[in-house]
Amino acid sequence: NAGVTQTPKFRVLKTGQSMTLLCAQDMNHEYMYWYRQDPGMGLRLIHYSVGEGTTAKGEVPDGYNVSRLKKQNFLLGLESAAPSQTSVYFCASSRWTSGGNPYNEQFFGPGTRLTVL
Amino acid sequence: AQKITQTQPGMFVQEKEAVTLDCTYDTSDQSYGLFWYKQPSSGEMIFLIYQGSYDEQNATEGRYSLNFQKARKSANLVISASQLGDSAMYFCAMREDPSYGNNRLAFGKGNQVVVIP
Repeated sequence: NAGVTQTPKFRVLKTGQSMTLLCAQDMNHEYMYWYRQDPGMGLRLIHYSVGEGTTAKGEVPDGYNVSRLKKQNFLLGLESAAPSQTSVYFCASSRWTSGGNPYNEQFFGPGTRLTVL
Repeated sequence: AQKITQTQPGMFVQEKEAVTLDCTYDTSDQSYGLFWYKQPSSGEMIFLIYQGSYDEQNATEGRYSLNFQKARKSANLVISASQLGDSAMYFCAMREDPSYGNNRLAFGKGNQVVVIP
């Protein structure tokens, strides 16, 4: 199993350009997430999905859109990139759990390093 | 308000010694989970250890143990017998309110550890 994969690994954009980051998982997980990591800030949740066809906003959703048309894929879009979106982007996935059980490990992809000039 | 606090500056530890990484959290939930992840310089996020709020025993995984003090709301990671490969950034994370549809993790800003020979 490949686990969680992300495409591309690196990308440089100019301000105003658009792009889509692709996340794929082969573990049949229900939940998927997009985070961004900036120096000294830890990981911050951008958007997440609790199942195919559903998405929800996280902590820092502005400037991003997402789609989950297939269970195994979670796409993150930047419609008009800004230098403030220069970051490392991580995708993660986790399985469904019954209510009341707080254990649920998230499995992370290798990250995408995005630079916006 | 910040839910996970990791405030230690970068730490240097001698090989084979133990190191403790501090993590305090803020929640009003009775049921929650605490996670530690390791991020080496290569960038991937590696799950290390988990502690549930109702677990009576402190979690252990090989050389990793979690010093869980519920009343103080702290979940410190202890790495025993440090190895050079332990040099990394370490993140504490919390999952609150484990109801269906909510599997979000809140991450701290991380602790940098450098193991010296």
